[in-house]
Amino acid sequence: DIQMTQSPSSLSASVGDRVTITCRASQNIYTYLNWYQQKPGKAPKVLIYGASSLQSGVPSRFSGSGSGTDFTLTISSLHPEDFATYYCQQSYSNPIYTFGQGTKVEIK
Amino acid sequence: QVQLQESGPGLVKPSETLSLTCTVSGASISSDYWNWVRQPAGKRLQWIGRIYASGNTNYNPSLNSRVTMSLDTSKNQFSLNLSSVTAADTAVYYCARARWAIDGTYYFDYWGQGTLVTVSS
Repeated sequence: DIQMTQSPSSLSASVGDRVTITCRASQNIYTYLNWYQQKPGKAPKVLIYGASSLQSGVPSRFSGSGSGTDFTLTISSLHPEDFATYYCQQSYSNPIYTFGQGTKVEIK
Repeated sequence: QVQLQESGPGLVKPSETLSLTCTVSGASISSDYWNWVRQPAGKRLQWIGRIYASGNTNYNPSLNSRVTMSLDTSKNQFSLNLSSVTAADTAVYYCARARWAIDGTYYFDYWGQGTLVTVSS
């Protein structure tokens, strides 16, 4: 299976901060990479698909970049509702889809 | 608006079969890919498998021999059976719809709220 590793596992940030989360794949997955946001007790919500395409309805402060094995999710200016856990997911290895371990964004 | 809702027992005994149903509204299960994903407490999400409108299925090899999925188009529902469960199968189980983006990316765009299934005697 393709292993997905996120860094950091957690971070503390303030409202208005720029936040960057990294996801690394164990092999080349081109741009078959998606990002999700999950709040406690809730289902994940897709933010970015195809490494950089913004899902409809998702604020433009979220952006994704990368290809190959290294990917980044950026929140340009952190809002209070953005405190959550973020997961990456690869879809290159069809149909064995794997997720990263998550990055928890906490209030500083 | 597309909505998914999981239902089924919250407690299953070891060695028995876990059975869950996902009821879909706002979309027809006669198209698209319908998936099950689980999340043990404090751990990462794990894709269990999917069923397509045609009834074709794909399962995670780590669970393959224990998983069965099915569709009930008359009720717009799809189901998961996981046999011979152990404590390691305790998790929140989500049903989710998946789409293929134009670039070939496969992503989960609608999810149920999740249901906790505990395996314990």
